[in-house]
Parts: sequence; structure tokens; C-alpha cells
Amino acid sequence: DGGITQSPKYLFRKEGQNVTLSCEQNLNHDAMYWYRQDPGQGLRLIYYSQIVNDFQKGDIAEGYSVSREKKESFPLTVTSAQKNPTAFYLCASSITGDGAIVGELFFGEGSRLTVL
Amino acid sequence: AQKVTQAQTEISVVEKEDVTLDCVYETRDTTYYLFWYKQPPSGELVFLIRRNSFDEQNEISGRYSWNFQKSTSSFNFTITASQVVDSAVYFCALKTNSGYALNFGKGTSLLVTP
Repeated sequence: DGGITQSPKYLFRKEGQNVTLSCEQNLNHDAMYWYRQDPGQGLRLIYYSQIVNDFQKGDIAEGYSVSREKKESFPLTVTSAQKNPTAFYLCASSITGDGAIVGELFFGEGSRLTVL
Repeated sequence: AQKVTQAQTEISVVEKEDVTLDCVYETRDTTYYLFWYKQPPSGELVFLIRRNSFDEQNEISGRYSWNFQKSTSSFNFTITASQVVDSAVYFCALKTNSGYALNFGKGTSLLVTP
């Protein structure tokens, strides 16, 4: 089945450690996104990528890094510089260009990161 | 600046009641898109509907209906005869032509009890 796969679903890390969250899609979508969700705060955009080898910072990019070496993969690294990393992280993708339904995002089931 | 406000943090209703989720948006763009997404307990957000700024027709899909009013900058979502399976967090979102990504509201948590 086509969709977005995020792993791991749950992750624990100690303070000072970097951690990488995986996001893979087999929908052949050009655009991919990372959102962070905190209780009562909605979703906030961390990074997005419209095309392979290109990505832009979102509203809360500090302390995070991404790469987009392949169309189907958009991993997110939470670095030790991120001061409050405990959150629920959601990856999404969308079609771009002609025929796209503007703004229709397809989401993964998320990764819950807890810093101990 | 773009902003989406969902003033209702949590709503609890009994099954078969109708419920309306409010969404108010702010933007200076004349072309924009409004969305509703549903987040069930499993975590992934599911797209429900999109409306563009030039289409103020109300939309009905089964038990779901949406009321878009530019005069009040609102895009409200009504569930008729609610069911337990409607329990989820619902997000309203806004996208303008000047931005690539969606701006989400903080969400409304809906609990439908038997």
C-alpha cells in the first residue's frame, strides 16, 4: 500500500544526544515536510523540501537538520542544540505542480520523542 | 501574517448530538486555501476538505458540512448526529500563495461518548 512510513514510533534519548527520525514515502510525491506537535500547540513547521537536494527552514528550524538525497526519503535529525525536543513529530508529503490539490498533505503516523 | 484560531480547545458531546467546530483565520492575501484535517488516536492527520477563497459555497459530505464565510473570516465545521468514531482532534489550516506550507490552528479535541 502507498503511504508514508515513520520510524521509530517511540524513541527515548538522553540529553546531549542527537537522534534521527526516519520518513519514507512511496507516493512519488515531490514535496515533503516535518511538523512538530506539542499538546495544545497545534502543528508547527520545522523544515520542508519541494524537490530533491533542496530544503527550506520552517518556523522552528533551530536545533534540527534535514537532508533530501532521495525523493522518497526525508530524515530529520534532532540535535543536542534543540533545547526542548520532547514532542510528537509528523512527516508529510504532497504532490506539486499541475493537477495537484493545493495543500492536501498525506501524513505518517508520527514519532514520539522523549528526552530523559 | 497568517493566523488560524480555533478557540474551542475541547468539546464533549453525547452520541447523536450535532456539534460545530469553529475556525477563524487571518490573512492579507486575496487568494488562499482553507482546510480541515482529522487526527484520530493513531496519530496521522487525515485530509477532510479544502476550500479556496473564491468559493464560498457550503459543502456537505454525509454527516459533515462546512460553512465558509469571508465576511467573518470563518470556516466552521459541523458534524451532524455525531458518532463515537468521530472522536479525534480536528485541525483547521490555512495556506496562501505566498507560502509553501500550511499554517495550522491549535486544534479542537472532540470527544463523543455513547
